Amino acid sequence: KNEVEQSPQNLTAQEGEFITINCSYSVGISALHWLQQHPGGGIVSLFMLSSGKKKHGRLIATINIQEKHSSLHITASHPRDSAVYICAVLLGVGTASKLTFGTGTRLQVTL
Amino acid sequence: GAVVSQHPSWVICKSGTSVKIECRSLDFQATTMFWYRQFPKQSLMLMATSNEGSKATYEQGVEKDKFLINHASLTLSTLTVTSAHPEDSSFYICSARGGGWDRGNYEQYFGPGTRLTVT
Repeated sequence: KNEVEQSPQNLTAQEGEFITINCSYSVGISALHWLQQHPGGGIVSLFMLSSGKKKHGRLIATINIQEKHSSLHITASHPRDSAVYICAVLLGVGTASKLTFGTGTRLQVTL
Repeated sequence: GAVVSQHPSWVICKSGTSVKIECRSLDFQATTMFWYRQFPKQSLMLMATSNEGSKATYEQGVEKDKFLINHASLTLSTLTVTSAHPEDSSFYICSARGGGWDRGNYEQYFGPGTRLTVT
């Protein structure tokens, strides 16, 4: 079983819809990252969370440490939001810590 | 956020040759750099971790003599794919993080990736 599970794997939405992507993990972590990867490959770090909630523009990320769960929300979705969204958790401590990645959620936003 | 660059963005090489990929942190000092490999429609796979001035730590199953990693300065790490084979064709992504780790600064920044095709 993967230490990081994302759902859904694929998601199609119409422009303007509210979108939620979920991430569950099975071990204690130092932090959780949400990443965005567009076709063509470049990865952008959207959020890094240790607790609570963060907001940037139309994106909101929350994390519940006790439940080992995080969500990424996109409000008023737009076709340019179409990308793969990846949850990654930071395992270990200090310089030996490493990111473990979920398999990603492929989002397609249509007009 | 901080910027990590990679060069080249894509490269085609012949089987048996070597290819070097550069990863630079442009506006911060990267105490640790990571090299990942990604196959189509799959997630990132960590190949190795390098700390400035130290030998890289390779993940299980990654051949250190084939994938040479050098982290000679706080802003530059290189990955050299030696004696490349078609099965080495992949998307290679570097990532970097700076200091402040002990203060809870867990930010990690990703390069744009290098697409390697070995013919």
